[in-house]
Amino acid sequence: DTAVSQTPKYLVTQMGNDKSIKCEQNLGHDTMYWYKQDSKKFLKIMFSYNNKELIINETVPNRFSPKSPDKAHLNLHINSLELGDSAVYFCASSHFKGGILKLFFGSGTQLSVL
Amino acid sequence: QKEVEQNSGPLSVPEGAIASLNCTYSDRGSQSFFWYRQYSGKSPELIMFIYSNGDKEDGRFTAQLNKASQYVSLLIRDSQPSDSATYLCAVNLRPLSGAGSYQLTFGKGTKLSVIP
Repeated sequence: DTAVSQTPKYLVTQMGNDKSIKCEQNLGHDTMYWYKQDSKKFLKIMFSYNNKELIINETVPNRFSPKSPDKAHLNLHINSLELGDSAVYFCASSHFKGGILKLFFGSGTQLSVL
Repeated sequence: QKEVEQNSGPLSVPEGAIASLNCTYSDRGSQSFFWYRQYSGKSPELIMFIYSNGDKEDGRFTAQLNKASQYVSLLIRDSQPSDSATYLCAVNLRPLSGAGSYQLTFGKGTKLSVIP
């Protein structure tokens, strides 16, 4: 009965490959995100989608392409993987009420590029 | 550059002591403030939020906010070994446009170790 689920949990791949991470939320939230957490635990926003529309697109290489087929799903496709892409990628969805934004995270995908 | 700053630690406290975690932020327009706890290998989990000046208490946790000083803190009373984790401070910045562009900006986290 997971609220925000992402797959796979672990992803090990070679440089230059293309890979995708999938995310689904069953909370009925309108907004979903991708965050990247580096080895020093710094959690940085990459993208935000609101009702399937791209809202936030931080300075991210265009090798990263998010896709939202519907408001419950936000996938991340990465082309031509590089060593520096190794990190934990978290999907999240948010609930905004009374001026308070609450984020709910998926369990993360640990990406290792060799 | 809108930033959220935290001391990365590690912060070590003995079991039963008070752990004090601090966070400063640069954007005076920030509206609400959050503390997330992240255990090793797990996802961040919301434990407290605060949006008014003063203190907010929830069990052993107290969040304190001082908007004039742009400072938010988290106190953990009677610290337990199970509190050992990385604590992430997050700030809800003013949106660029529309409700959908709200986002949380995170600090780099403070690693807390509670020594039995």
